[in-house]
Amino acid sequence: NAGVTQTPKFQVLKTGQSMTLQCAQDMNHEYMSWYRQDPGMGLRLIHYSVGAGITDQGEVPNGYNVSRSTTEDFPLRLLSAAPSQTSVYFCASSHPGGSETQYFGPGTRLLVL
Amino acid sequence: EDQVTQSPEALRLQEGESSSLNCSYTVSGLRGLFWYRQDPGKGPEFLFTLYSAGEEKEKERLKATLTKKESFLHITAPKPEDSATYLCAVHKNTGFQKLVFGTGTRLLVSP
Repeated sequence: NAGVTQTPKFQVLKTGQSMTLQCAQDMNHEYMSWYRQDPGMGLRLIHYSVGAGITDQGEVPNGYNVSRSTTEDFPLRLLSAAPSQTSVYFCASSHPGGSETQYFGPGTRLLVL
Repeated sequence: EDQVTQSPEALRLQEGESSSLNCSYTVSGLRGLFWYRQDPGKGPEFLFTLYSAGEEKEKERLKATLTKKESFLHITAPKPEDSATYLCAVHKNTGFQKLVFGTGTRLLVSP
């Protein structure tokens, strides 16, 4: 199993540009989520999904969009990038129920100029 | 408000010098406390889940314990390869696993 994969590894954007961060998992996990990690702050939940077709907002959803058309994929869209979105983004997946372990991808480092 | 505080922010140890990392939390309806290891430029790697006060789990040189207000990650006779950032997170009693993370402890083990 590849686990959770993310592309690209690194991206530079200009303010106002749009892009999609890709996330895929091959563990047949129903739950998937996106976090951002900033210096001096813990990982913060952006959006999550409990299954195909079902998404909801996390702690810091503004400026981001998600959809989930398949169990395997959960892309994160930045519609109009802002410098405040410069961060490292992690995708995670898990089985539902109880306190199942969330498995994280390798991350995408995003720089918005 | 739910909060997770980790201390110290950074810790420098000599190889073989045992120590403990602390994670204190205030959250209503704790369902689980997680420890992750994160290497530079990588994603968090799962270490342990603790569910109730008094529970302990071990893995190689690491041992995690849980009380009603805090968790400790004990590192016994660390090696340089244990150098990493250790993250603590709590899972609230909600339908989805909304993890609340601490800011981590950066551990450096010198040979």
